Amino acid sequence: GENVEQHPSTLSVQEGDSAVIKCTYSDSASNYFPWYKQELGKGPQLIIDIRSNVGEKKDQRIAVTLNKTAKHFSLHITETQPEDSAVYFCAASPGGTYKYIFGTGTRLKVLA
Amino acid sequence: ETGVTQSPTHLIKTRGQQVTLRCSSQSGHNTVSWYQQALGQGPQFIFQYYREEENGRGNFPPRFSGLQFPNYSSELNVNALELDDSALYLCASSLERDGYTFGSGTRLTVV
Repeated sequence: GENVEQHPSTLSVQEGDSAVIKCTYSDSASNYFPWYKQELGKGPQLIIDIRSNVGEKKDQRIAVTLNKTAKHFSLHITETQPEDSAVYFCAASPGGTYKYIFGTGTRLKVLA
Repeated sequence: ETGVTQSPTHLIKTRGQQVTLRCSSQSGHNTVSWYQQALGQGPQFIFQYYREEENGRGNFPPRFSGLQFPNYSSELNVNALELDDSALYLCASSLERDGYTFGSGTRLTVV
């Protein structure tokens, strides 16, 4: 069935260091991959997304890479700041559907 | 531009009761999706509405039902509540398929 695995479940980094979160999806027809940041008591907020015809996308300190052959995609945050602390979710949208399959989340802690 | 608003923010219901959750879409968005997020988990897709028609459904029983209105706002109804229905219910709107904007959710507790 459709599944997205996300690692690690928790990640602690020093302020200024980089953080990397990795996801693997099962449905090879998936063609849209958003990343969401969820702060306590709030709904998920879209931070970056990538489509299957692109291998990499960058937006300031945030970048996402996609390897369609391996069915892997990753979120990279550089120069982390305390306000980056939150739970991050990856998602994949199976081809021909409008739904998102979410990973189980990564709790990122940026230590000042 | 207003975002996605959900009401109520918190709700406590007794097992067996029925509940209705409401969502106002972001201006200009024609698609509404509902997700259930259990504590410590990622959101799980319940169903989606596009121009007032159900446009896909996840692995949830028929006691989960919904509506989308002409102004693209939406309701999620859950009948015969069970303890396992306790979760954060998220509404997300979008224009067509991509780039959902989520609301802050309704925290439902079933006792």
